[in-house]
Amino acid sequence: AQSVTQPDIHITVSEGASLELRCNYSYGATPYLFWYVQSPGQGLQLLLKYFSGDTLVQGIKGFEAEFKRSQSSFNLRKPSVHWSDAAEYFCAVGLTYGGATNKLIFGTGTLLAVQP
Amino acid sequence: EPEVTQTPSHQVTQMGQEVILRCVPISNHLYFYWYRQILGQKVEFLVSFYNNEISEKSEIFDDQFSVERPDGSNFTLKIRSTKLEDSAMYFCASSESGSEQYFGPGTRLTVT
Repeated sequence: AQSVTQPDIHITVSEGASLELRCNYSYGATPYLFWYVQSPGQGLQLLLKYFSGDTLVQGIKGFEAEFKRSQSSFNLRKPSVHWSDAAEYFCAVGLTYGGATNKLIFGTGTLLAVQP
Repeated sequence: EPEVTQTPSHQVTQMGQEVILRCVPISNHLYFYWYRQILGQKVEFLVSFYNNEISEKSEIFDDQFSVERPDGSNFTLKIRSTKLEDSAMYFCASSESGSEQYFGPGTRLTVT
């Protein structure tokens, strides 16, 4: 069955430090992969996506993610974290049919806290 | 920048009552979705909708749930007889081409 695992429930980093949030997926075909961010009281904002091609994808707010097929991973990175990055981050795999993403399967999320 | 909007932001209802959650997708989008997030749990898929019909639905989406696109702009989720366990944040999403999905801010449904 398709699934997404985010091993880290809660991560704390210092402002200016680098960040890596882990995501592993289980999906039989080539996946569509996404990272979303949710600030308190807000909806889910799309950070970046991977469909095919270059395995390193750039997103908004200075985030990037690397797709590693051999490790079934799609880890999110940022070289220097800002206090405004404190939020919950969700990795998702898109299940496709007929070329369209019919549904997203989400991980449990990683809550990021940023220390001054 | 176009956004998905949802109304109301918070709905309180009594068990057994019907509720309708409303969404206005981004205007040129053709694919529509509902998800929910029970407090402390992961976001779960409910239903996808394209070309005026349901594309896929989850096990959660039973006969108590229905979706409708009553006009060219709104997309609604109806729960006919709410249960306590329906209490959750409900998110609407839309997609232009069926690839990436853009989410609304959510409606918090509280069933008492």
